[in-house]
Amino acid sequence: QVRLQESGPGLVKPSQTLSLTCSVSGGSINSGSYYWSWIRQPAGKGLEWIGRIYTSGTTNYNPSFKSRVSISLDTSKKQFSLKLSSVTAADTAVYYCARDRLYCTDGECYTNFDFWGQGTLVTVSS
Amino acid sequence: EIVLTQSPGTLSLSPGERATLSCRASQSVSGSYLAWYQQKPGQAPRLLIYGASRRATGIPDRFSGSGSGPDFTLTISRLEPEDFAVYYCQQYGNSPKYTFGQGTKLEIK
Repeated sequence: QVRLQESGPGLVKPSQTLSLTCSVSGGSINSGSYYWSWIRQPAGKGLEWIGRIYTSGTTNYNPSFKSRVSISLDTSKKQFSLKLSSVTAADTAVYYCARDRLYCTDGECYTNFDFWGQGTLVTVSS
Repeated sequence: EIVLTQSPGTLSLSPGERATLSCRASQSVSGSYLAWYQQKPGQAPRLLIYGASRRATGIPDRFSGSGSGPDFTLTISRLEPEDFAVYYCQQYGNSPKYTFGQGTKLEIK
């Protein structure tokens, strides 16, 4: 069974950089069938996709985060990481890592987040 | 950006009843790239439906999805106590790659 686990500081000061790591176990992080995504959820609100990384290192980011976001991959450690710079109180949220499964069958392609970490709360406050 | 609008915001029903949740996209969305998730308090979302109508592994058959761009529906045929939660639809597109609806809260009447 694939498991994802987020780790990192729970408190970050305004204007600093939020850094989180997601550790993957029970499955390959190298498989070409998967991207690895970060998603966040402010308290009492909906889900917002931040960005993703492929095994090749190719990244896609939500334009809402402009140049503040960076996602990296360390296949030897089976981890991928998120860095979000210049944080403000609006970045306070539960941050999830998720496996982004992409596959094609019978001429149709599908994508979905099939495995998620349990989430980690990051609070931005001085 | 494709905006997903879910309705109703809150749905109050009793166990055993049928629930119908709607997700409408601001532009046409490929059904292949429309998914539904269930989230309970304090938990991560769980994948229920992908490809608009395909049940994920281990999901009971009382959950079903239907529709085509821009209108999609999640139906729970007979509500069980554990089904009361928040439900999100999600689509895969161009930029941003993924967007989620704002959620429908299914509460016990």
